[in-house]
Amino acid sequence: DIQMTQSPSSLSASVGDRVTITCRASQSISRSLNWYQQKPGKAPELLIYAASSLQGGVPSRFSGSGSGTEFTLTISSLQPEDFATYYCQRYSGPITFGPGTRLEIK
Amino acid sequence: EVQVVESGGNLVQPGGSLRLSCVGTGFSLSNHWMGWVRQAPGQGLEWVANINRDGSGRYYVDSLKGRFTISRDNAKNSLYLQMNGLRAGDTAIYYCARIVVDAVTGMDAYDTWGQGTMVTVSS
Repeated sequence: DIQMTQSPSSLSASVGDRVTITCRASQSISRSLNWYQQKPGKAPELLIYAASSLQGGVPSRFSGSGSGTEFTLTISSLQPEDFATYYCQRYSGPITFGPGTRLEIK
Repeated sequence: EVQVVESGGNLVQPGGSLRLSCVGTGFSLSNHWMGWVRQAPGQGLEWVANINRDGSGRYYVDSLKGRFTISRDNAKNSLYLQMNGLRAGDTAIYYCARIVVDAVTGMDAYDTWGQGTMVTVSS
């Protein structure tokens, strides 16, 4: 089975910082990779699909890149509402979520 | 507004059964694959099952095959999850989610999620 990992598992940053989260697949998954944001007590929300396509309504400070086995989610300038947990998700073969990256306020 | 709303979560004893429901509003369920994702307390997201548009194709995480059954009733714009032989490890929030296929990339994603329904398995 293809395993998904994320790094870091947690991250402290300040408003205005540029932040990058990495998701790795144990085998190539082409560009079948989505990113979700989840705030405490809320359902996840889709941010990025197909590795780099921004979901409608998502601020342009969010961007995704990568293909094959390594993917990144970048937030160009952190806003207070961005502090949350971020999950990558493989969407080819059995669906698999990464373990999550918790983004906290420094 | 496009929404999905889950119901049916409850406290159930080990070995018991439960049926979760999800109703879609603001869109026609029949146009979409649908799925269930769960999240144990304090843990990450785990895919449970997906179902295709007419219900003829059902896909499950290997660990749940044989105990959980996903189904749908497009006439009622509803999705279901029948859970049998429940165990403590099934305790989680269960989310219903709509699957959208991007016309350009052909890639799938869960674009609409419900608020979740809590299932607690305990004696």
